[in-house]
Amino acid sequence: SQQGEEDPQALSIQEGENATMNCSYKTSINNLQWYRQNSGRGLVHLILIRSNEREKHSGRLRVTLDTSKKSSSLLITASRAADTASYFCLTGSARQLTFGSGTQLTVLP
Amino acid sequence: NAGVTQTPKFQVLKTGQSMTLQCAQDMNHEYMSWYRQDPGMGLRLIHYSVGAGITDQGEVPNGYNVSRSTTEDFPLRLLSAAPSQTSVYFCASSPSTGLTQETQYFGPGTRLLVL
Repeated sequence: SQQGEEDPQALSIQEGENATMNCSYKTSINNLQWYRQNSGRGLVHLILIRSNEREKHSGRLRVTLDTSKKSSSLLITASRAADTASYFCLTGSARQLTFGSGTQLTVLP
Repeated sequence: NAGVTQTPKFQVLKTGQSMTLQCAQDMNHEYMSWYRQDPGMGLRLIHYSVGAGITDQGEVPNGYNVSRSTTEDFPLRLLSAAPSQTSVYFCASSPSTGLTQETQYFGPGTRLLVL
């Protein structure tokens, strides 16, 4: 079973707009991670937020974590065409990690 | 550092054939894992290892074997390939030990087609 589930499944925006995607999970976590996957490529780590953190920033990325709702959101500000990719959240235990099915983001020029 | 490397990049097999997907990392990471990704889906954990000599099953282990004789290498063996194993396979490593997982470093993937 999948621990993390992202929504929306697909998102299409214009360049310069902000993109928000969400992840919900089922059990308690130590941390939650977000990854990007460009078409046909491996996954690249974007950001990790720990269970005692509520918000974290990295460049144009902003991640929030609400452990009471078991949810996280990833905000990409001022999107670029190069941000077009699939985005996945990663949760789970120390030994068995689980990816969600991902959000496919398309940024139109 | 080369990071996580996988070979081959692409492989075609006939049903019933066996093969080994290679994965190596040069970051001295204890934790290594194998995932498969089917079209339009996330990654599903096949097997993982928390150190040399220690392996365990993930979510979808049937039809696959692994071993971990060294810290660097974590090969994945398909015993008797089936069309349902057509997928993209990713290997990952992480410096994680203990109870908390940290950043996963992924290889470029192996595309496997089973006819």
